[in-house]
Amino acid sequence: DAMVIQNPRYQVTQFGKPVTLSCSQTLNHNVMYWYQQKSSQAPKLLFHYYDKDFNNEADTPDNFQSRRPNTSFCFLDIRSPGLGDAAMYLCATSRGAGAGANVLTFGAGSRLTVL
Amino acid sequence: AQRVTQPEKLLSVFKGAPVELKCNYSYSGSPELFWYVQYSRQRLQLLLRHISRESIKGFTADLNKGETSFHLKKPFAQEEDSAMYYCALIRSGTYKYIFGTGTRLKVLA
Repeated sequence: DAMVIQNPRYQVTQFGKPVTLSCSQTLNHNVMYWYQQKSSQAPKLLFHYYDKDFNNEADTPDNFQSRRPNTSFCFLDIRSPGLGDAAMYLCATSRGAGAGANVLTFGAGSRLTVL
Repeated sequence: AQRVTQPEKLLSVFKGAPVELKCNYSYSGSPELFWYVQYSRQRLQLLLRHISRESIKGFTADLNKGETSFHLKKPFAQEEDSAMYYCALIRSGTYKYIFGTGTRLKVLA
C-alpha cells in the first residue's frame, strides 16, 4: 500500500548525463517535497510545491529543477549531474492544511550514483 | 539561524534499559517539533510530534522551551527499537523542515 512511490529506486548515470527522478502520491496531499540525503547527513530540502506554487531553497544549485504537472506527480531533473550529486533523493508529501498538516509521508527514495 | 542538533551519532543500550535520544533546537519563534524514525530497509516515517503529546511504541518526547530541547525517551528499550532517529523542526508559517543529523540507536540483546 505504498502511498508515495519513487522511481527508479536506483539510478546510475554518467557525469554530465541528465537524470529524471519521479515521485507519485495517492494521498491527494497539497505539498510535495524533494530532499537530498548524503551518507550520515540530515535530509536537505531542495524545493517544495504547495499545489502548483514552487518554492526553491536559496542554496539549491541551478542544476536541479523540478516539475509538478498535476497533484499526483512531481519530478526532479538533474541537468548535468556531478560526482557531488550522488546521494539518496527523497520525495515526501504533506497535507499542508488541516489536522496533521505538516506530517511528512516519505517515499522509499531514489539512490543516484554518478560515474 | 534555525538549527536542530542531535549530539549523539550512535547510542547503544541493552534491552530493557532506559533510552534517551537528545535533541536541541535553536529557533526564535514557536516551533513544531517531530521525531521521525527509519527502521532497517524501510522508509522514513513519523514517530511522534510534540503537539499530539502522545506515546508511540512506548516513546515520549516533551518540548522544553526553556532548554530548547525535545528529547525522545523510552523507559525500557526493545531490540525492535534499533533504527535511525531524526529530530525535526518546522518553521511556523512555512513548509520548511529542518532535520537533525540523526542518531542511530542500537539495542543490544
